Amino acid sequence: ETGVTQTPRHLVMGMTNKKSLKCEQHLGHNAMYWYKQSAKKPLELMFVYNFKEQTENNSVPSRFSPECPNSSHLFLHLHTLQPEDSALYLCASSQDRASSGNTIYFGEGSWLTVV
Amino acid sequence: SQQGEEDPQALSIQEGENATMNCSYKTSINNLQWYRQNSGRGLVHLILIRSNEREKHSGRLRVTLDTSKKSSSLLITASRAADTASYFCATAALGGGSQGNLIFGKGTKLSVKP
Repeated sequence: ETGVTQTPRHLVMGMTNKKSLKCEQHLGHNAMYWYKQSAKKPLELMFVYNFKEQTENNSVPSRFSPECPNSSHLFLHLHTLQPEDSALYLCASSQDRASSGNTIYFGEGSWLTVV
Repeated sequence: SQQGEEDPQALSIQEGENATMNCSYKTSINNLQWYRQNSGRGLVHLILIRSNEREKHSGRLRVTLDTSKKSSSLLITASRAADTASYFCATAALGGGSQGNLIFGKGTKLSVKP
């Protein structure tokens, strides 16, 4: 138990569906992240939020829409996805930015399959 | 890109042997971190080494950092079957903005046979 909880753990959705991934951290951290992990590719940083403000959008397609209503919750809204978007989506949090010497705490991930 | 590159991509050893994984990166860093991931699970932080440190220990883990060569190594001594996992290095660059984020390499897949 890392203090970062992701739901659902598994999601299968059609290309025309709209779904959301949820992340909650119980660590009192100020920074939250979405990473994408595909087979045989490095972990890709998608979005960064610091004190609820988005500070990084790593050229992510608009079919992925993040939302951070408060410093403990982070959502990833999904719509009209493509099969190549199937991956493990990892949420993470840290006290402050990694460059400040902070470690990142990851959730268990949400396995997404787009059919 | 500051992305780290681990070497080897895969490593298979017998229980009791030592496992060494290497990581190279491209830009000046603030710190370098090693993480572990069991199959299909989230990543777990193992150890952080700052740019002004050369070596760090944590239990059976030993990490070295050579900033002149922009490389790091992770040594797991007396490996156990439970050490089977993927190991990632991650770097946080100097400076603010997007450079302050943690960027991961592709990982080394370690298999420890009983």
